[in-house]
Amino acid sequence: GQQVMQIPQYQHVQEGEDFTTYCNSSTTLSNIQWYKQRPGGHPVFLIQLVKSGEVKKQKRLTFQFGEAKKNSSLHITATQTTDVGTYFCAGSGSGAGSYQLTFGKGTKLSVIP
Amino acid sequence: IAGITQAPTSQILAAGRRMTLRCTQDMRHNAMYWYRQDLGLGLRLIHYSNTAGTTGKGEVPDGYSVSRANTDDFPLTLASAVPSQTSVYFCASSLGMGRTDTQYFGPGTRLTVL
Repeated sequence: GQQVMQIPQYQHVQEGEDFTTYCNSSTTLSNIQWYKQRPGGHPVFLIQLVKSGEVKKQKRLTFQFGEAKKNSSLHITATQTTDVGTYFCAGSGSGAGSYQLTFGKGTKLSVIP
Repeated sequence: IAGITQAPTSQILAAGRRMTLRCTQDMRHNAMYWYRQDLGLGLRLIHYSNTAGTTGKGEVPDGYSVSRANTDDFPLTLASAVPSQTSVYFCASSLGMGRTDTQYFGPGTRLTVL
């Protein structure tokens, strides 16, 4: 079945440093979604990427979808304590019948003030 | 109600007991899901339903059952709880089960099986 691998599993950064998490799929994805889960909270949808090579920005967050649609990244510039949480990528396959969203294991971000 | 609600918020359960986790959404979403979240394992899909009256198995369905009698409710039942089912359970919904449908999560139920 489809697998979505996410690295790193944990990341500790000093406030103001940049942060990147990577998502890799064993198969070509139709689209990829990113979610954020604050400590003690539930996952909340951030953004969706659909097109090959697509780049989207949300303030200090930059999301990229690879040209081959097999990988994606989330980059946070100048982290703040409000960025703390676990970031999940989730992808849908491109084959017939592969509609289910498969979540990566997430990257837990800690920001040291 | 706004969005998705889950009950109970948390529960401690003796092994062997039956337990139903409740999930209700008021967004008129067709699709609903149950995930469990364990440290280091991310979100794993237990069961899903793409419309009222139909359900399907996810990645880790054993020991769990679901029903979808109407659009709003999607209860998850543990027939005979075991300690390995200790986890945080999230219910989610989406407008449909298309590839680009985004999922909305409930606040979760923390279940401990002793």
